[in-house]
Amino acid sequence: DAKTTQPPSMDCAEGRAANLPCNHSTISGNEYVYWYRQIHSQGPQYIIHGLKNNETNEMASLIITEDRKSSTLILPHATLRDTAVYYCIVRIYNDMRFGAGTRLTVKP
Amino acid sequence: GAGVSQSPSNKVTEKGKDVELRCDPISGHTALYWYRQSLGQGLEFLIYFQGNSAPDKSGLPSDRFSAERTGGSVSTLTIQRTQQEDSAVYLCASSLSGASGYTFGSGTRLTVV
Repeated sequence: DAKTTQPPSMDCAEGRAANLPCNHSTISGNEYVYWYRQIHSQGPQYIIHGLKNNETNEMASLIITEDRKSSTLILPHATLRDTAVYYCIVRIYNDMRFGAGTRLTVKP
Repeated sequence: GAGVSQSPSNKVTEKGKDVELRCDPISGHTALYWYRQSLGQGLEFLIYFQGNSAPDKSGLPSDRFSAERTGGSVSTLTIQRTQQEDSAVYLCASSLSGASGYTFGSGTRLTVV
């Protein structure tokens, strides 16, 4: 069981922020939220992860609600190259199971 | 090397033959996963290694599948008596132990004919 729920697909206009939601209502206190993406025909790529606090890196921002039951991955200025399947995963230590993810299509 | 290396990148084999897929993780990474991804599908967990601990084999689909990790580094995934439904991309990922992110290899595309 992936323990997460994501919309199957989303569209975003190039240059706009892409906000990808994820529900993880059964998350436990010591489980982290991870985001990966997979561009067609490539292996998944790590994006960001967090436990309780919001996180930001050069790729994206991760906003985790106070109750930790949901999170949002934000790509601040989406480009065509951000078109991919985005996976939200909750895990403790090294149990990492992927769900179906969200297919994000960035349109010109 | 700088990344996770998998070999071969492509493998075509006849039904019933055995195949070995290799994964070279990033040096110093103690955790290693194998996944497979069938065409148009998500990632299916196969097996997980962490240091010297017993591997988590709960994702292996049948006893035709096995994996080893020698010396805590290189891992080999073996599929015996291959079937057409084994055709998929087999992905390996490694990580430092703990909560760090995983780095994936480019995968081995296995085609059973």
